[in-house]
Amino acid sequence: LAKTTQPISMDSYEGQEVNITCSHNNIATNDYITWYQQFPSQGPRFIIQGYKTKVTNEVASLFIPADRKSSTLSLPRVSLSDTAVYYCLVGARLSGYSTLTFGKGTMLLVSP
Amino acid sequence: SQTIHQWPATLVQPVGSPLSLECTVEGTSNPNLYWYRQAAGRGLQLLFYSVGIGQISSEVPQNLSASRPQDRQFILSSKKLLLSDSGFYLCAWATATDPSSIQYFGAGTRLSVL
Repeated sequence: LAKTTQPISMDSYEGQEVNITCSHNNIATNDYITWYQQFPSQGPRFIIQGYKTKVTNEVASLFIPADRKSSTLSLPRVSLSDTAVYYCLVGARLSGYSTLTFGKGTMLLVSP
Repeated sequence: SQTIHQWPATLVQPVGSPLSLECTVEGTSNPNLYWYRQAAGRGLQLLFYSVGIGQISSEVPQNLSASRPQDRQFILSSKKLLLSDSGFYLCAWATATDPSSIQYFGAGTRLSVL
């Protein structure tokens, strides 16, 4: 399984763009890159997923360089409610089940 | 649409007592099901996963067990709880045929063993 490395914490202010980078040097050909958001005492919530290049949805953008050894989650114009832990995961379905390993994530604190 | 339900939301149990946490999924068939535990301030640890009825795989040896008596029901159990079993337990599901492995989580159960 590909291991991921992301910053333990980040600080930002309301209205700013936040970029969280995740390193996954040993990503496999079949692996997807998935980001989750978790608020205290809640289950993680799927944010965005990509395989290569750029993916954008109503919540965030995901930038993946050609070598796929890293990825950057971009949150445009964050608000106080974006304060949460963000997890970067790399994995794929193997032999009938999906295997994902959650690290400690990045604690994003958005201040007024 | 698919939904996942976990209960109870919180639970306080004495050491040595049994445990049963239940998770059900609606709106999908033959999902992959997962149990995770999250200790305070830490990442998620995969405990069990299941690809079908009666099929359970364990990721770590522990005081817990899991069962899948029905296609969309996943149960986490213990015969005798330990203090170290305290934590936030999360159930998740994924589409079995989805190669991208997106998992969808329940609201979780906060377990305190005293």
